[in-house]
Amino acid sequence: RKEVEQDPGPFNVPEGATVAFNCTYSNSASQSFFWYRQDCRKEPKLLMSVYSSGNEDGRFTAQLNRASQYISLLIRDSKLSDSATYLCVVNRLKSGAGSYQLTFGKGTKLSVIP
Amino acid sequence: ETGVTQSPTHLIKTRGQQVTLRCSSQSGHNTVSWYQQALGQGPQFIFQYYREEENGRGNFPPRFSGLQFPNYSSELNVNALELDDSALYLCASSLRDGYEQYFGPGTRLTVT
Repeated sequence: RKEVEQDPGPFNVPEGATVAFNCTYSNSASQSFFWYRQDCRKEPKLLMSVYSSGNEDGRFTAQLNRASQYISLLIRDSKLSDSATYLCVVNRLKSGAGSYQLTFGKGTKLSVIP
Repeated sequence: ETGVTQSPTHLIKTRGQQVTLRCSSQSGHNTVSWYQQALGQGPQFIFQYYREEENGRGNFPPRFSGLQFPNYSSELNVNALELDDSALYLCASSLRDGYEQYFGPGTRLTVT
């Protein structure tokens, strides 16, 4: 089982739609959680951190359920500019190394259609 | 922009050759992590450098090696290149040992 699994996608949605991304992680020692956005042939960019209490940034809402080891990202009123691949990322302290290691999901591609 | 820079942007090498990729971290960041991203996959952790020492390694063979310099810039070296090494190589810098990382634009390596 992969450490981080995401919906395989792709998602093709009309402008203005609400779209939800789901992600599960297998390592209960994971300590922090993020969503990154990656445009075609570009580097991943941090979209938002994810907290147990849930957090919102404009049209974007992220949720974490530690008991279920589940992370979600909701995009409301989607725009053409939201078209990208969304990467679910977990961060844990790597034992013996004293470093945090990011583990990425495979990503879910979103295309917002006019 | 994150302030993380990488060079070169693109590179074409032949199987069996060696390659060195370079990364300059964001000002004030003392940690650099390197990732390999194959087409259609998420980035895979190669290793991390913190204060000039390797501070964690993923499942990559020893022919992947690195360095970090006193100014926190870093190099990734790959020996005996294989066709499967063709990928986007990303470096990421962070304020402390790996938490909340910011990526450079990457180096796209093609091995023929």
